Amino acid sequence: NAGVTQTPKFRVLKTGQSMTLLCAQDMNHEYMYWYRQDPGMGLRLIHYSVGEGTTAKGEVPDGYNVSRLKKQNFLLGLESAAPSQTSVYFCASSRGTTSNQPQHFGDGTRLSIL
Amino acid sequence: AQTVTQSQPEMSVQEAETVTLSCTYDTSESDYYLFWYKQPPSRQMILVIRQEAYKQQNATENRFSVNFQKAAKSFSLKISDSQLGDAAMYFCAYRTPGGGADGLTFGKGTHLIIQP
Repeated sequence: NAGVTQTPKFRVLKTGQSMTLLCAQDMNHEYMYWYRQDPGMGLRLIHYSVGEGTTAKGEVPDGYNVSRLKKQNFLLGLESAAPSQTSVYFCASSRGTTSNQPQHFGDGTRLSIL
Repeated sequence: AQTVTQSQPEMSVQEAETVTLSCTYDTSESDYYLFWYKQPPSRQMILVIRQEAYKQQNATENRFSVNFQKAAKSFSLKISDSQLGDAAMYFCAYRTPGGGADGLTFGKGTHLIIQP
């Protein structure tokens, strides 16, 4: 039962470097989400997707880009990493948007920007 | 925009006792969903319980129950017979149904400590 898998689990970057976080789900879910979690904060939505080929901005989208080329994958990119992007990143997916279709979360990626 | 407030950064309870975690939210919507998520040190986000705003009956899942007060926009979580494994961060979350697929709006969390 893989569910939602995030790759990598940890990463350290230097300021200005770029990288892509991968989220893969094997539940055939339509909706996928990227959140960030900072100390003392709940999760905040970065971007989301309502289906293959679609993406939309969430609450804190600046400095990030996303792509959903395949239904099962949702990529989060940092083009030029900044120390303010040091955070734990969570991916989630759901079949729909009702309470009976809750979001399933990955285990998170801890990203440090030096 | 919706906001979710958890006014208790940290709570402590003796094992086997009952504890209540508070959550209030602000919305102009009449239909929405509310959730409590548990995040243990392993960092996983685990769904504990959910509530639909149109249902008057409070949701219950084993030792976990909620007190949903729609008029007061309050959604507290009660944990009965607290166990050591309940120690974690607890997040209250809100979302609107259907329409746009905006994600969950989370509170800042309550750190629950279980005293043996």
